[in-house]
Amino acid sequence: QQQVKQSPQSLIVQKGGISIINCAYENTAFDYFPWYQQFPGKGPALLIAIRPDVSEKKEGRFTISFNKSAKQFSLHIMDSQPGDSATYFCAARGVSGGYQKVTFGIGTKLQVIP
Amino acid sequence: DTEVTQTPKHLVMGMTNKKSLKCEQHMGHRAMYWYKQKAKKPPELMFVYSYEKLSINESVPSRFSPECPNSSLLNLHLHALQPEDSALYLCASSQDHRGLLFWPQHFGDGTRLSIL
Repeated sequence: QQQVKQSPQSLIVQKGGISIINCAYENTAFDYFPWYQQFPGKGPALLIAIRPDVSEKKEGRFTISFNKSAKQFSLHIMDSQPGDSATYFCAARGVSGGYQKVTFGIGTKLQVIP
Repeated sequence: DTEVTQTPKHLVMGMTNKKSLKCEQHMGHRAMYWYKQKAKKPPELMFVYSYEKLSINESVPSRFSPECPNSSLLNLHLHALQPEDSALYLCASSQDHRGLLFWPQHFGDGTRLSIL
């Protein structure tokens, strides 16, 4: 059962353009939403994260938009660069029995072409 | 460079072999994790150790046996694996695993395991 739905699965963007990746969730108990970036041959790295009481968070060229009522959140990469080409995973954190668990989306393979 | 070190980077083994994957971190983190990642899929949680004790086992087959000898080391012992176990095995650590504060996970670069 996929608790975090992510789209698109692949994305091609011109250099300088805006990359947008969308995620949706069902479980209202999720309380923290990180995004991970994974380059080929590397492990995932935390990129940016947001709490559901915040509608937007920006770090450099990366922005998360969060819509709590719609249970949707998205990653925007402004001025996309070839070095941003990677797989991006949205995720959601839930706490059960005092322990936190992160559920990942399916991933989006981003290719930024010069 | 990643602060979570995994060895070996690549491992090829037969179905009757016994091997171990190793993970090490020196960030003082008290939670450590094993994930399995198949190609073009997200990481799937296997095990969580919190303060050197196994706190979560996500119904992983017994042919995978985790071990946490101390707060810096995490091992995954492999025995009688199946071809479908071929995957990237990722280790991660975080400051803690409990409570309502979010403790971001730091991932290693993984061990790519191939079962013949």
